[in-house]
Amino acid sequence: DAGVIQSPRHEVTEMGQEVTLRCKLISGHNSLFWYRQTMMRGLELLIYFNNNVPIDDSGMPEDRFSAKMPNASFSTLKIQPSEPRDSAVYFCASSFGEATQYFGPGTRLTVL
Amino acid sequence: GQQVMQIPQYQHVQEGEDFTTYCNSSTTLSNIQWYKQRPGGHPVFLIQLVKSGEVKKQKRLTFQFGEAKKNSSLHITATQTTDVGTYFCAVPNTGNQFYFGTGTSLTVIP
Repeated sequence: DAGVIQSPRHEVTEMGQEVTLRCKLISGHNSLFWYRQTMMRGLELLIYFNNNVPIDDSGMPEDRFSAKMPNASFSTLKIQPSEPRDSAVYFCASSFGEATQYFGPGTRLTVL
Repeated sequence: GQQVMQIPQYQHVQEGEDFTTYCNSSTTLSNIQWYKQRPGGHPVFLIQLVKSGEVKKQKRLTFQFGEAKKNSSLHITATQTTDVGTYFCAVPNTGNQFYFGTGTSLTVIP
């Protein structure tokens, strides 16, 4: 199994641009989590899905952030418009139920 | 929501010294997980503790779950440079979520 796959691994963009981060779950997993990690705020849960349904999006910073799960194995996190304070490493993780979370390698986002 | 305090935030040790990080919750936990994140890497699952007073070992790592299931510790004996990284505890939140502690960043000085 290839594990959780994220793309791109690095993204540099200018303020105001749209950014789309992608995540492919491990086959058979039914829960998907998006996290943001910064030095100041640590590892924050943004949103999580269970069986393709968003369960808790209380961690999503504001309306500029949106996440979708169009099928059981794929998710996107979109930021529109992006701002410099969105610069961070974004991880997705998948699990089966309450079991271990497997993290992807992360996307390092820099917004200039 | 769930809150958990992890201490210390940073720890520098000489190679060969021991290291311990603590995770404390104000509420009783059903279980607790520990993860390690190497510099530039992603969190990787280490272990899950479920039972009151449980002690589990992985080579030089010893994990403990308190009798009251409100705290946990990770102890590394005779640290090596490969132990460098940030160690997170994670506790259950609503649904399938886990709330991650602030982490303890370990630096091992050769």
